[in-house]
Amino acid sequence: SQQGEEDPQALSIQEGENATMNCSYKTSINNLQWYRQNSGRGLVHLILIRSNEREKHSGRLRVTLDTSKKSSSLLITASRAADTASYFCATDAGGYNKLIFGAGTRLAVHP
Amino acid sequence: DTAVSQTPKYLVTQMGNDKSIKCEQNLGHDTMYWYKQDSKKFLKIMFSYNNKELIINETVPNRFSPKSPDKAHLNLHINSLELGDSAVYFCASSQGAQSEQYFGPGTRLTVT
Repeated sequence: SQQGEEDPQALSIQEGENATMNCSYKTSINNLQWYRQNSGRGLVHLILIRSNEREKHSGRLRVTLDTSKKSSSLLITASRAADTASYFCATDAGGYNKLIFGAGTRLAVHP
Repeated sequence: DTAVSQTPKYLVTQMGNDKSIKCEQNLGHDTMYWYKQDSKKFLKIMFSYNNKELIINETVPNRFSPKSPDKAHLNLHINSLELGDSAVYFCASSQGAQSEQYFGPGTRLTVT
């Protein structure tokens, strides 16, 4: 079964707006990772946040982690058309770097 | 310089055939993975090798057999292909524990 569930399943916004995607998971984790997948391409790693961290930033990306609620959020600020992609959260629950992926959020950014 | 490469990119074959997908990484990573992404975009791990040793073997039919001739290569052989095997198969690699994974471009397998 999927460990993570993303919300919303799909998001449509205008360029310049912020996009927020949420991820919930079920078990304790070592870390949580966010990946982007452009249509027809492989996944690209965005951010890794460890279980003892609460927030991380990378450029226009901000990730938060709330282990008490077993949830994470990915915020993309000042979105661009090039941010159009599917975004996946993945949890590492321990052991051999085994990632369990959520179903993903499809983000469409309109010019 | 492609970090994780897969061949072929597309594979169309008939039911019952045997096929292989190859993966190579030039990142010097010690761990490699195979994932399957279905038509609904669900991505699920199948196998993982660390230094040529199988360390993750999910509930996958015996028709799927991974082989790692060395740390930089991980191949996937599929026997007696079935319609349900149609999917995109991704190879990935990583270094060490609790680290990000680098994905290949995927192999789209279509079984007719």
